[in-house]
Amino acid sequence: QVQLVQSGAEVKKPGASVKVSCKASGYTFTSYDINWVRQATGQGLEWMGWMNPNSGNTGYAQKFQGRVTMTRNTSISTAYMELSSLRSEDTAVYYCAREVHYYGMDVWGQGTTVTVSS
Amino acid sequence: EIVLTQSPATLSLSPGERATLSCRASQSVSSYLAWYQQKPGQAPRLLIYDASNRATGIPARFSGSGSGTDFTLTISSLEPEDFAVYYCQQRSNFYTFGQGTKLEIK
Repeated sequence: QVQLVQSGAEVKKPGASVKVSCKASGYTFTSYDINWVRQATGQGLEWMGWMNPNSGNTGYAQKFQGRVTMTRNTSISTAYMELSSLRSEDTAVYYCAREVHYYGMDVWGQGTTVTVSS
Repeated sequence: EIVLTQSPATLSLSPGERATLSCRASQSVSSYLAWYQQKPGQAPRLLIYDASNRATGIPARFSGSGSGTDFTLTISSLEPEDFAVYYCQQRSNFYTFGQGTKLEIK
């Protein structure tokens, strides 16, 4: 079945970086964009950016410009999101989601909890 | 950045009742608006895309309407499993989500 499986929980210190992976299966990885969305505890959804796994093209929310990098390894059908200069406000669950053009984000990963604490 | 404002923040209803959730955009998003449902501890689930189209497998009791800046998600007769948080999301200019409406059991 179509699924996205994310890497496990991370605990980082302020100022460090974190890299979350998202492995796709059950479909052609390069045929659909991958979006990253985060959610702080008890808060709403926040879109971070998108990546086209075929071309590697990316688009980032202005809030994260300069701090986020989205990449992929097509040989293992895996997308990555790296966030640098972490601060406590970055503590959240990070989701990857497949996007079907002119449709929506129809398949989501299980989420990866990132905790930033000294 | 396009801001989406959802109302009400919390909606308290009973099973069988009709739910009406609102989403207003700070500028026109045409029909490029989706609705998602999220239950505690779960990832969001796509319900409606392009304002009024149900996603695959979504029951007919869910419907969406609107265009431009004002949108509505209607659940015609609430089932127990419908109590959750609902988010609207625009894709007209990058992407943004609304802050969510919590639909709780009265």
